[in-house]
Amino acid sequence: DTGVSQDPRHKITKRGQNVTFRCDPISEHNRLYWYRQTLGQGPEFLTYFQNEAQLEKSRLLSDRFSAERPKGSFSTLEIQRTEQGDSAMYLCASSSSGDTEAFFGQGTRLTVV
Amino acid sequence: GDSVTQMEGPVTLSEEAFLTINCTYTATGYPSLFWYVQYPGEGLQLLLKATKADDKGSNKGFEATYRKETTSFHLEKGSVQVSDSAVYFCALSGDSGGSNYKLTFGKGTLLTVNP
Repeated sequence: DTGVSQDPRHKITKRGQNVTFRCDPISEHNRLYWYRQTLGQGPEFLTYFQNEAQLEKSRLLSDRFSAERPKGSFSTLEIQRTEQGDSAMYLCASSSSGDTEAFFGQGTRLTVV
Repeated sequence: GDSVTQMEGPVTLSEEAFLTINCTYTATGYPSLFWYVQYPGEGLQLLLKATKADDKGSNKGFEATYRKETTSFHLEKGSVQVSDSAVYFCALSGDSGGSNYKLTFGKGTLLTVNP
């Protein structure tokens, strides 16, 4: 296992279109997190899964955003009816229960035109 | 809520200079503290961490000490190299009944080291 992988690395979409990103965590990690990072800012927490259960969602996660983690393995983040303000780097991270260290993927850069 | 404030950049140093990047935090309970680094074109990597007061995290010549009395976790390195050029993020993981999980990040500090 080489770490957290995210797909695609880059996505350009037109405003109003739907997009879906995928994250494959480190295989033995039961915790998975999504963050969003805009230019010049640190990553901001979006949502958190423990196994397949989504345990917390940030207020940043509007109704247009939905995340899933079926079977507690990979996760998807979908954005419906994209807006220009959704342009950002979307980061996925994973960790084990009881371990404070989270490992990050390289992110998916979304550009909404 | 939890927050992290770190020194604004950019910071430009000559090789072998001493580095300090200040970081202070606001949190309830007993958070864990981290420094992450993002090299150009790469993802976030954990640089070092400290999980309780007075702990010192260290890695690759970098050090930071968890100071609860001043709510600080300043990053230091005695002699920087060109390869240390990157963006550095201070972060905390809140104490949620002992189940630490989500990270709260500072805005990041861009460090450029010139030969």
